[in-house]
Amino acid sequence: NAGVTQTPKFQVLKTGQSMTLQCAQDMNHNSMYWYRQDPGMGLRLIYYSASEGTTDKGEVPNGYNVSRLNKREFSLRLESAAPSQTSVYFCASRGRGSSQPQHFGDGTRLSIL
Amino acid sequence: TQLLEQSPQFLSIQEGENLTVYCNSSSVFSSLQWYRQEPGEGPVLLVTVVTGGEVKKLKRLTFQFGDARKDSSLHITAAQPGDTGLYLCAGAWNAGNMLTFGGGTRLMVKP
Repeated sequence: NAGVTQTPKFQVLKTGQSMTLQCAQDMNHNSMYWYRQDPGMGLRLIYYSASEGTTDKGEVPNGYNVSRLNKREFSLRLESAAPSQTSVYFCASRGRGSSQPQHFGDGTRLSIL
Repeated sequence: TQLLEQSPQFLSIQEGENLTVYCNSSSVFSSLQWYRQEPGEGPVLLVTVVTGGEVKKLKRLTFQFGDARKDSSLHITAAQPGDTGLYLCAGAWNAGNMLTFGGGTRLMVKP
């Protein structure tokens, strides 16, 4: 079972470049999430999508855009990358119910020079 | 913004020792989850606690949700090197879709 798949696993960008991080889940989950993880700061929510066709801002949305392409796929786009966006990015999905676990991908390690 | 504070941030102990990790907030959560994360991987759920005062056990790990549902603890008995990793607590409030994560506790268990 694939679960949550993120691509790419690693990426180096120059300041000002753009890129899209891809995420797909095969568990038929309604909710999907994008987090960034920085040392000592746990996981901070960038954007989430409660269902296909809807997206909402999380704690740190500035500099990012998202697209819920269909039920399976939720992409994160950096339009003009900045060094402050160097981080590890995690995508997650969750089934119905607030006590359901979030299932995470293995992350994308992004460095911006 | 709902804040969750975890302590300690780092913990290095010898195999066989006991330890407790704390997760505290000023907010009341509808549920609280504990995750464990290994290098190069995403977090994986260990347990969900929902009821105030609830205690759950997972082998050598004991999880407790505070009576007021504002805090939680994770106790590991006789730690083993395989317990090494980053432990994260995460709280959900109301019946919303979002989780708030604590800053994490990085545990190293030396053989």
